[in-house]
Amino acid sequence: EPEVTQTPSHQVTQMGQEVILRCVPISNHLYFYWYRQILGQKVEFLVSFYNNEISEKSEIFDDQFSVERPDGSNFTLKIRSTKLEDSAMYFCASRQGGYAEAFFGQGTRLTVV
Amino acid sequence: DAKTTQPPSMDCAEGRAANLPCNHSTISGNEYVYWYRQIHSQGPQYIIHGLKNNETNEMASLIITEDRKSSTLILPHATLRDTAVYYCIVRVAGIQGAQKLVFGQGTRLTINP
Repeated sequence: EPEVTQTPSHQVTQMGQEVILRCVPISNHLYFYWYRQILGQKVEFLVSFYNNEISEKSEIFDDQFSVERPDGSNFTLKIRSTKLEDSAMYFCASRQGGYAEAFFGQGTRLTVV
Repeated sequence: DAKTTQPPSMDCAEGRAANLPCNHSTISGNEYVYWYRQIHSQGPQYIIHGLKNNETNEMASLIITEDRKSSTLILPHATLRDTAVYYCIVRVAGIQGAQKLVFGQGTRLTINP
């Protein structure tokens, strides 16, 4: 069964450093998403991406965040200068379109120290 | 997207049917009801979705009331592996728009041996 894969599974970084979280969505999907979940809290939407551009972003997704689909298969989330409060699980998701469901990856646990 | 209300927690005995309720009294005519679950800190997993008819798949059944103001997810023979947080989400589904998922707190379902 096709799945969304995320790497790395766990990333530890120092405050102020840049991190790139990587995702390989399901191959025939058209919509791509990043969500995050701070420990013990709700899953929160960050950004959606369609047709090579951001289609929607939340208030969390400020200038420190960016997304890219550099080569038609990978989908990346970059945090330019990490803060302690960026520590969370980050989930990538993809969806084919229409009323199709979204499939989520297993997440990257980001720890900022 | 319409708001949903779910009980914060429920218990169910292994082998019995687990019935998880969800209220969505402000649902619009073009909004679907989606159910996802999250086992521990894994990525959310799609279960089922529907518009107005009852739906069944290999994982669960979804019963939507005639007025569409509430629904029930049924896991017919719950196992210990069904212990998870279950999310009921309503959203517009269609060709236009990226259609993010808005997660609430969900229902923490515990299956007891």
